[in-house]
Amino acid sequence: GIQVEQSPPDLILQEGANSTLRCNFSDSVNNLQWFHQNPWGQLINLFYIPSGTKQNGRLSATTVATERYSLLYISSSQTTDSGVYFCAVDDKIIFGKGTRLHILP
Amino acid sequence: GAVVSQHPSWVICKSGTSVKIECRSLDFQATTMFWYRQFPKQSLMLMATSNEGSKATYEQGVEKDKFLINHASLTLSTLTVTSAHPEDSSFYICSARDPGQARNEQFFGPGTRLTVL
Repeated sequence: GIQVEQSPPDLILQEGANSTLRCNFSDSVNNLQWFHQNPWGQLINLFYIPSGTKQNGRLSATTVATERYSLLYISSSQTTDSGVYFCAVDDKIIFGKGTRLHILP
Repeated sequence: GAVVSQHPSWVICKSGTSVKIECRSLDFQATTMFWYRQFPKQSLMLMATSNEGSKATYEQGVEKDKFLINHASLTLSTLTVTSAHPEDSSFYICSARDPGQARNEQFFGPGTRLTVL
C-alpha cells in the first residue's frame, strides 16, 4: 500500500516564526488532504490539495504530484497553531504519522 | 464543509461489556463511511470501510467479530466494540465524504474516547 512520511516529527517554534511541514508519499494519489488535530482530538480540514497551490490566511499548501510530495506552510505562527498536523492520501485516507507543532509564547 | 457528528464523545465501561458508537452525517447522505482508531501520540489507523446496505470491509488485522459495523441508513453508521477489554481503550473517529461534491474530500467526526476498565 501507499506509504506516507511526514517531517519533521516534532517542531518547536517561537510565536511569530514561519514553518514548513513536508509530506512524502510513495505512489501517485488522487487525493491529498492536510489536517490539524486540536488538543480535543478534532480533525480540522485545512486543505484538499491533490495538486497545485492553495492559500488560506496564514496557511498555504503546495502539492507536486509528479514528485510525490506536499508542503504545508504556516506563517507568523500563533500559539493556537499548536497541535498535530497530518497529511493523508488516497480514497481510504491513509495518514502519515504527523508533525507535532508547539508554538511558544 | 460537510458536518459529521459522533456520539458519545466519551464513554467508560467495564471489561466484558459492549459499547456502541454512532457516526452521523448531518447535512448530506453518505453511502460510505470510514472508522479509524488512534492510540495516544500515534497516527490514525483505518479499521474498516462502512458501506450502506452491505457488509463492512475490514482492514487486515482488525477482527470483524470484535468490531461490528452497521450502516443501516445513508446518514448513520455504528461501530460496536463487543466484549471490550482494556486494550480496546482508544480514540475512535469516523469520517465521510459528501457524494454531492465533485472532489473526494473527507470530513471527520469529533471522535469518541473509549476507556475500558
